[in-house]
Amino acid sequence: DTGVSQDPRHKITKRGQNVTFRCDPISEHNRLYWYRQTLGQGPEFLTYFQNEAQLEKSRLLSDRFSAERPKGSFSTLEIQRTEQGDSAMYLCASSPPSGTGVNEQFFGPGTRLTVL
Amino acid sequence: DAKTTQPTSMDCAEGRAANLPCNHSTISGNEYVYWYRQIHSQGPQYIIHGLKNNETNEMASLIITEDRKSSTLILPHATLRDTAVYYCIVRVAGSARQLTFGSGTQLTVLP
Repeated sequence: DTGVSQDPRHKITKRGQNVTFRCDPISEHNRLYWYRQTLGQGPEFLTYFQNEAQLEKSRLLSDRFSAERPKGSFSTLEIQRTEQGDSAMYLCASSPPSGTGVNEQFFGPGTRLTVL
Repeated sequence: DAKTTQPTSMDCAEGRAANLPCNHSTISGNEYVYWYRQIHSQGPQYIIHGLKNNETNEMASLIITEDRKSSTLILPHATLRDTAVYYCIVRVAGSARQLTFGSGTQLTVLP
């Protein structure tokens, strides 16, 4: 399967614990996005990478959230001191470089986080 | 990116055409209309996009009005597997910016 993959698919944690999610984008896609989706709502943007550079962060990305893409390939999203309000689906998407004529984003299956 | 308005929900009989409307009255001249869908517990999936001409691909057709203030996504022969939330998004083509999702339309295809 050459699509976007995310790991784990499900995570249950206790309030106050730290969690880390991983996203592997489609090969050759230099753009990578993280979104968060709560029940009944559309996905909300969290942050965007072009290669290894984090170019944009949403105000939703509080100080407890950090994302990295150290080698411009896979990315990690860490949430420290989780709160019940962090319970959501965390989606990763990737898209190819500009100039390829392809602008759509390809989404992974998401990681569902439940904070107890 | 321009704001879009979609009905909250729609039903469609299996085998019939599903027509999903979207209003985007503040769309700019360089903004495209994109459609994504999200099947339950999956990530969103790109369907189609267009600027001002009607577009068709293997999944759907997109009809954009002449004034570009509204559009309709058409699934010509809906199946049960087309049951999903459909999002209409307006954005500048070639933009690396994030997608701005609204609440979308929950399409339920009935047997």
